[in-house]
Amino acid sequence: GDSVTQMEGPVTLSEEAFLTINCTYTATGYPSLFWYVQYPGEGLQLLLKATKADDKGSNKGFEATYRKETTSFHLEKGSVQVSDSAVYFCALIKGDGKLTFGQGTILTVHP
Amino acid sequence: EADIYQTPRYLVIGTGKKITLECSQTMGHDKMYWYQQDPGMELHLIHYSYGVNSTEKGDLSSESTVSRIRTEHFPLTLESARPSHTSQYLCASRGGSYGYTFGSGTRLTVV
Repeated sequence: GDSVTQMEGPVTLSEEAFLTINCTYTATGYPSLFWYVQYPGEGLQLLLKATKADDKGSNKGFEATYRKETTSFHLEKGSVQVSDSAVYFCALIKGDGKLTFGQGTILTVHP
Repeated sequence: EADIYQTPRYLVIGTGKKITLECSQTMGHDKMYWYQQDPGMELHLIHYSYGVNSTEKGDLSSESTVSRIRTEHFPLTLESARPSHTSQYLCASRGGSYGYTFGSGTRLTVV
């Protein structure tokens, strides 16, 4: 079945550091890809999305490019802030409309 | 301002009690979903609905049940709560091609 794999373990960075969170997927066909963010005590918010190969999603300084050849959708940000501390989920959706999530990555940014 | 509402936000309840988690949306979306988020953060689809009187079980087996009598309302019920049901429950609705909107979640603790 479809699956999403995110890099293991929490990520801890200093403010203004460069962020990469790896995400790879397994799916038949051509899924749409998403990054969601969950702030402490909250639900999930859509951060960015890409619907076809080579699309780049971007929002709030975060970017991710849909790479079909490597089945990846890595999240990047050039300069993180303390307020970016949250849990980040990579996800995919296919024609049936159901979201499949990765395991989530905790990001902690220190001043 | 949230368009999907979950109540209660937090609930601590004794083993064997019956509970209902409420989820309501004001967007007129036909598709609604319940996800269970375990302490390790992973999100698992437990129920979904494509419209009134339509309910289906998700990818993760759950002892909970759902109903969809009105478009805007998608409650989840546990007839007899157990400590293994301790988790966060997230409700979502979907409109348009890809737009999921998530509620803030209900954090359930069964003692």
